[in-house]
Amino acid sequence: DAGVTQSPTHLIKTRGQQVTLRCSPKSGHDTVSWYQQALGQGPQFIFQYYEEEERQRGNFPDRFSGHQFPNYSSELNVNALLLGDSALYLCASSLEPTSGKQFFGPGTRLTVL
Amino acid sequence: QQQVKQSPQSLIVQKGGISIINCAYENTAFDYFPWYQQFPGKGPALLIAIRPDVSEKKEGRFTISFNKSAKQFSLHIMDSQPGDSATYFCAASIRYNTDKLIFGTGTRLQVFP
Repeated sequence: DAGVTQSPTHLIKTRGQQVTLRCSPKSGHDTVSWYQQALGQGPQFIFQYYEEEERQRGNFPDRFSGHQFPNYSSELNVNALLLGDSALYLCASSLEPTSGKQFFGPGTRLTVL
Repeated sequence: QQQVKQSPQSLIVQKGGISIINCAYENTAFDYFPWYQQFPGKGPALLIAIRPDVSEKKEGRFTISFNKSAKQFSLHIMDSQPGDSATYFCAASIRYNTDKLIFGTGTRLQVFP
């Protein structure tokens, strides 16, 4: 049984560009959450998707947007990249939005130059 | 009010010793407190979690102690092993919103033989 998978593993972009990160949830999971983890910090909640809709959102600007597809996979899009967006982006999936048990993927390391 | 404060930032323990990591919170609405373990290059993995209706929860060598009045909780790792060397994060969330986790800043644990 595959766990949460994310692609790509690493990504290098320049300021002002746009990026799309992808996540496939653990088999049977229908809820996907995205977190940003800066170096040496704990993950910070970006938003959560359930039933193809953004269910809740953390304190991130509108440059961060997402999407969930009918097969429960998800994308995170970041527009107008800033140097401060450099971080590990983690996807987590769960059986339902309030299950309390999130399974994290290995993350995508984004570097903005 | 949304913060979770974690200490120490780093911890060095000898094999067989007890590792103790502490967290404190302010938001009294928090009522789900998980601990995550993260190895380099991997996403966080759920270790153990507690709700405030109990003061202690034990799973193998890992124990959470919870003090509701002091708004503090801690992770104890008994008989620490070199394989426990990782970064540990405490987190908190609000009932019926358990997928929006607020993480601490992490503790890097090193266990030496």
